[in-house]
Order: sequence, then C-alpha cells, then structure tokens
Amino acid sequence: QKEVEQDPGPLSVPEGAIVSLNCTYSNSAFQYFMWYRQYSRKGPELLMYTYSSGNKEDGRFTAQVDKSSKYISLFIRDSQPSDSATYLCAMSLNTGTASKLTFGTGTRLQVTL
Amino acid sequence: EPEVTQTPSHQVTQMGQEVILRCVPISNHLYFYWYRQILGQKVEFLVSFYNNEISEKSEIFDDQFSVERPDGSNFTLKIRSTKLEDSAMYFCASSARTGLTGELFFGEGSRLTVL
Repeated sequence: QKEVEQDPGPLSVPEGAIVSLNCTYSNSAFQYFMWYRQYSRKGPELLMYTYSSGNKEDGRFTAQVDKSSKYISLFIRDSQPSDSATYLCAMSLNTGTASKLTFGTGTRLQVTL
Repeated sequence: EPEVTQTPSHQVTQMGQEVILRCVPISNHLYFYWYRQILGQKVEFLVSFYNNEISEKSEIFDDQFSVERPDGSNFTLKIRSTKLEDSAMYFCASSARTGLTGELFFGEGSRLTVL
C-alpha cells in the first residue's frame, strides 16, 4: 500500500464549479497536512496547511482532515481558469529539528471557460 | 517578495559526470531541503539541512549525493557520478523554522537530464 494515494486525474470542471480533491494515507503518525499547487514547470506553492483533524478555510479554499479515516480533502469554490494546475497533498511527521514532506502524486485540474 | 532561486534551470550531462545544482534560499531562513521529481512521478524528499549539517536524509540520498552551504547564501547539491535514473527535476526549498512544518518555500527547480 502506498503511503499517500491521490487520484492523478485529469479533472476537468467548468468555471464556477466546486472542486473536490482528495488524498488517503496509510501512516497514522502523520500530524501535519498540506496542499500545494504546482503550475507547469514551476515549484510547488503552499496553499493550505492544517494540523490534526478539522477544517480550515482561506478564501475560496477549504481544507479538511479526517484522521480517523486517514483522508484529507481540498475544496475550491467558484473555480477559476487560473486554478488550473496540479494539486499536491503532502504530509509530515514533524521529526526532530526539520520536516520531511511525503507527497501524493498530484491531481491535475483543468478549469474551463 | 522573497523567493528561492535555483541555477541552472536545465542541465544536460553525460552519465558518470559530476553535477552541482545551486540554490539561494530565502535570506532569513534556517532550514534547507532538496526534493526531486522524476517525470510523471511524485515529489520525493532527498535531504534536509540545518546548522551546517544534514538533519535527515532519505534512502535515495546515497553516497553519490552531498550537500553543502559553502557561504552564507548558497546551498548546493552535488551528484558525484550521475546515472541515467538521476534524470529529474530537483527542487530546493527553505523554511524559517520547524515546528510549524509545511511552510516550505520551493524554488522553480533545476531540470537534470543524464544521457
């Protein structure tokens, strides 16, 4: 079983739609959960960051973590063409003095006009 | 806005050659990282670096790899004898602190092609 699983897509939605992106994971010791956005030929850019279970909202983005199900989600409301990118989930154990992120494979999102 | 910068953006090398990838982290950051992404695959952790020493490394980071902070601004990844399977995008990242993990800022990457 892979440590972090993410549907690679591509996911195509019309402008204005609500997008739901998901990851499952197998290691119950993960404590920090992140979503990164990666545009083509660019580095990952941090979108959302949550600790333990619960919801976090930032503008059009909502991140949810359900540790009991080992399942995390990112919702994008009122999606825009500029949201077209690959979305990577990542998680961390917070070991010692520095963090090591374990990424999912990424879901490619295309928002069409 | 401060950013992590990486050079070169693309390097082509012959198998067996040494390669050095360079990074300038954000100036007040203390923690530095290298990740890589083989085409079509996930981003993978290679190494983290703090206080002039390696904090953690993955099983990918074998004796062929080394990192260095030769001065107050640069952070380098050296691959001593490149193999075909080292072809990937290499991302440098930095963070101001740990404990609030995840606040990593990534550079745009250096694409390495080994022929």
